[in-house]
Amino acid sequence: QAQLVESGGGVVQPGRSLRLSCAASGFTLRSHDVHWVRQAPGKGLEWVAVIWFDATNEHYADFAKGRFTVSRDPFRNTLDLQLNSLRAEDTALYYCARNSGYNFGDAFDVWGQGTMVTVSS
Amino acid sequence: DIEMTQSPSSVFASVGDRVTITCRASQGINNWLAWYQQKPGTAPELLIYAASSLHSGVPSRFSGSGSGTDFTLTINNLQPEDFATYYCQQTKTFPRTFGQGTKLQI
Repeated sequence: QAQLVESGGGVVQPGRSLRLSCAASGFTLRSHDVHWVRQAPGKGLEWVAVIWFDATNEHYADFAKGRFTVSRDPFRNTLDLQLNSLRAEDTALYYCARNSGYNFGDAFDVWGQGTMVTVSS
Repeated sequence: DIEMTQSPSSVFASVGDRVTITCRASQGINNWLAWYQQKPGTAPELLIYAASSLHSGVPSRFSGSGSGTDFTLTINNLQPEDFATYYCQQTKTFPRTFGQGTKLQI
């Protein structure tokens, strides 16, 4: 059964950094594009970033450009989201999600349970 | 960016009812649309991809339709487990964008 598990969340002061990880089981992460999506408390879903299956390309939401970086670990079945210069408005539950592929409408078919990031002084 | 607008923002219904949620894209997205269900405290789950294709394991009482800019999610014969928040998402371009959500309440 395909599963994703996020880790690395926590409480951090404004301006500081945090590194989130997404680990896969039941499938090979390198075979899929993977997205990050966040959800602020009581709010809707907000797309953050994507990394190509082969790590040759990435896209970011405007709020993430220049502050967030997604990368893959070529030796493990994991990928990371580096969060820099964090702001209070980045407080959210961060999910990683698997892209299903072109033949399945590029929808997000597997989601992790999320890891909470709280930015507060 | 493509803006996705859902309506209504919330809807009240009863077990056995039929409910329709609409989603409008600010520009044409062909059939590059997905629907997700999210229950409190849990991650979203994929229901529909490519506007009208049912994801594996999703009950057939869920259906999607539409193309271009206007889409609908229909739930027939509502079951107690269907009371949740539903999101549409365009998968045509980056940034991927979600609708604001529709909360389906008893």
